[in-house]
Amino acid sequence: ITLKESGPALVKPTQTLTLTCTFSGFSLSTGAVGVAWFRQPPGKALEWLALIYWDDNKRYSPSVKSGLTITRDTSKNQVVLTMTNMDPVDTGTYYCAHSIVPNIAAASFDFWGQGTLVTVSS
Amino acid sequence: SSELTQPPSVSVSPGQTASITCSGNKLGDYYASWYQQKPGQSPVVVVYQDNKRPSGIPARFSGSTSGNTATLTIYETQAMDEADYYCQAWDSTKYVFGPGTKVTVL
Repeated sequence: ITLKESGPALVKPTQTLTLTCTFSGFSLSTGAVGVAWFRQPPGKALEWLALIYWDDNKRYSPSVKSGLTITRDTSKNQVVLTMTNMDPVDTGTYYCAHSIVPNIAAASFDFWGQGTLVTVSS
Repeated sequence: SSELTQPPSVSVSPGQTASITCSGNKLGDYYASWYQQKPGQSPVVVVYQDNKRPSGIPARFSGSTSGNTATLTIYETQAMDEADYYCQAWDSTKYVFGPGTKVTVL
């Protein structure tokens, strides 16, 4: 299983960020499988952003701005995260990860992408 | 909101045991996972569902829970174990991570 994030390295404040996670080695149509997005500001802790399940259900962090959207394209083996109205505090490394979700409380994130650094600056 | 608390740092001598605690008022209700992150690298899960170890993770990594505290224990610590360690759990509305513990092998 491999995952790789792609997207712009630099976005301006108020712009929309679109990140793509391209994966291989598993199918997002398989039961109990999910793909999640996380971010990590420089020198700080990890933060979960969103998770999309094998059945296309989605969950978002209530702590993050409302302009967060996660979608999937099973034919391309891709998951896309969009974040609107970006702010300098959103600067950090963004990761996608494969998840096994037997139930929501038991989810584990067992394969991670290499991460992509996004800087929000004018 | 639920928060997870970890000590900022733990120091251990090679070959000794390192223990990292993670406390949270809802931890007793949900599973804890632990992630190792070395500088410039992506996180790696070393324990999930409180005490399960993924394939490929050495047996010296062990997880346990008691009440609202989860503990990651590293037995016979090696220099390669020097890293940041994050606990993670579900808090009924979101997945949360602790602030991380830097393990230094002296």
